[in-house]
Amino acid sequence: DQQVKQNSPSLSVQEGRISILNCDYTNSMFDYFLWYKKYPAEGPTFLISISSIKDKNEDGRFTVFLNKSAKHLSLHIVPSQPGDSAVYFCAADMRFGAGTRLTVKP
Amino acid sequence: DAGVIQSPRHEVTEMGQEVTLRCKPISGHNSLFWYRQTMMRGLELLIYFNNNVPIDDSGMPEDRFSAKMPNASFSTLKIQPSEPRDSAVYFCASSPTGGNTEAFFGQGTRLTVV
Repeated sequence: DQQVKQNSPSLSVQEGRISILNCDYTNSMFDYFLWYKKYPAEGPTFLISISSIKDKNEDGRFTVFLNKSAKHLSLHIVPSQPGDSAVYFCAADMRFGAGTRLTVKP
Repeated sequence: DAGVIQSPRHEVTEMGQEVTLRCKPISGHNSLFWYRQTMMRGLELLIYFNNNVPIDDSGMPEDRFSAKMPNASFSTLKIQPSEPRDSAVYFCASSPTGGNTEAFFGQGTRLTVV
């Protein structure tokens, strides 16, 4: 039973544009959400998080938005850079989504 | 700190053989996780330890899988007997305080069962 879902396996954007990665969850008890970034042959690394008492958290080019009523969160990357090309995982309560592979084209 | 250390980085074994994956968490972290990454299912939580005690092993796929944490600085994930469908990348991660905080991952063990 997938409690955290990322329905887009891949996303391709042009350098300098916005990347929007989406995540849905089913458990309304989740109160803390995290995004991780993974490069090939490496383990995932923490990127940004948000508590359920907030609806937005920003860190430089990365912003996470939380819509509790829709059980949906999204990660915005502005502007996107080629070095952002990686697999992005959404997580809650130790459960991870399947990941979205982001490709940023120069 | 060197981070979470996993060994081996790659393992190729024949079907039916026993496989043992090893993990050294970050010193001072009291939570340890084992994950499996496959194309079909993404990153699955297999088992979660807190203070060396297994808290949630509901993700362990079958009795062929077992995990131990004999002390705060070492954990193993064993598959016996191994099967081709166990081929995946296995990650170990640790965190300072518990399951709902940032986890630090090792580089993973790529297991191939032929």
